[in-house]
Amino acid sequence: SSELTQDPAVSVALGQTVIITCQGDSLRTYYASWYQQKPGQAPVLVLYGRNNRPSGIPDRFSGSSSGNTASLTITGAQAEDEGDYYCDSRDTSGNHGRVFGGGTKLTVL
Amino acid sequence: QVQLEQSGSELKKPGASVKVSCKASGFTFRNYVMNWVRQAPGQGLEWMGWINTNTGNPTYAQGFTGRFGFSLDTSVSTAYLQISSLKAEDTAVYYCARFHCSGGSCYLDYWGQGTRVTVSS
Repeated sequence: SSELTQDPAVSVALGQTVIITCQGDSLRTYYASWYQQKPGQAPVLVLYGRNNRPSGIPDRFSGSSSGNTASLTITGAQAEDEGDYYCDSRDTSGNHGRVFGGGTKLTVL
Repeated sequence: QVQLEQSGSELKKPGASVKVSCKASGFTFRNYVMNWVRQAPGQGLEWMGWINTNTGNPTYAQGFTGRFGFSLDTSVSTAYLQISSLKAEDTAVYYCARFHCSGGSCYLDYWGQGTRVTVSS
């Protein structure tokens, strides 16, 4: 299966901007989507497509993509943004299903 | 509103089987592919596969063939995950999630609350 690579951990000062990245060859062709997961909770979709937020997701969350890298940017990080963030995209090998990145643990200082 | 309601936690012995349910409401079940995702303790998300709710055709990711089975009961808008010959390493939280595609992108837009399966003697 194809792979998506994320930094294991990132930290940001309260109110500052943080970028979480996701790298993989499939991202040259397919969009990534992004999920936030807080301890003991199910993942929640926060970004999809070129730069789309589901209803209820704050506009401090934005996305971009260049080459084989997709990025999730949080502008003005809040304490409630702390959690694990996962990217996913199409698996370009085998059954053409989905593949997740390993996840990035975001700490808001 | 869209909801995916999963069955409760399970404690099973090695070698047993388990069946997890995911009941959908608030949307037309047959219009969406249903996915299953595993999260082992302290680990990341792992895509297990999906099932086409129109045809009943399942697709399994590598590592989830053989002991894992996806099924449906469309009369009650419910997807099922069955795991047979359980092993300790099957201990995890299992999520169902709805797959949606629009505007050239695809994503898992709604998730169940998760079902914890613990395999222990």
